[in-house]
Amino acid sequence: RKEVEQDPGPFNVPEGATVAFNCTYSNSASQSFFWYRQDCRKEPKLLMSVYSSGNEDGRFTAQLNRASQYISLLIRDSKLSDSATYLCVVMGGSYIPTFGRGTSLIVHP
Amino acid sequence: GAVVSQHPSWVICKSGTSVKIECRSLDFQATTMFWYRQFPKQSLMLMATSNEGSKATYEQGVEKDKFLINHASLTLSTLTVTSAHPEDSSFYICSARDVTGGQPQHFGDGTRLSIL
Repeated sequence: RKEVEQDPGPFNVPEGATVAFNCTYSNSASQSFFWYRQDCRKEPKLLMSVYSSGNEDGRFTAQLNRASQYISLLIRDSKLSDSATYLCVVMGGSYIPTFGRGTSLIVHP
Repeated sequence: GAVVSQHPSWVICKSGTSVKIECRSLDFQATTMFWYRQFPKQSLMLMATSNEGSKATYEQGVEKDKFLINHASLTLSTLTVTSAHPEDSSFYICSARDVTGGQPQHFGDGTRLSIL
């Protein structure tokens, strides 16, 4: 089993739609969780951290479920500019991030 | 904010050439930098952890004699792909962690390496 697993997609949604991604992790000792966004041929950029209590940043909501070992990202009112690959990142105490393979999102008019 | 500069951004070389990629932290000190490789439609795979003043730690399956890492200062790490072959063609990205900041990693822009 891979350390961090994501559905590669692509998720193809119309503008304005709500879309959710999940990411599962295998190491129960993982401590920190993040969502990164990567545009084609670009470096990953931090989208948001994921806290145990859940957190929201504008149209984006992240949740952590430690019992089931997954994190989620919800995007409301999708924009064309949201089209990208969303990478799930998990870190343990060593601060070495482990990346999922990413979920591709395509938002169309 | 903190920035990591990676150079060059794009390299095309003949097979057998050695290629050096630089990764600099511009406004913070990075005792540890990471080197990743990403093939098309694949995840970022950690190749090695670069430690200032000491030997790099390589992930399983990564040849240390093929991918030479030097971390001579607190702001610079270099990755040299020795005798590169077409199968080494990939997107190489470095990252550094600012221990004083909240972001887990700051990434360089990446280097697209194409070996003919």
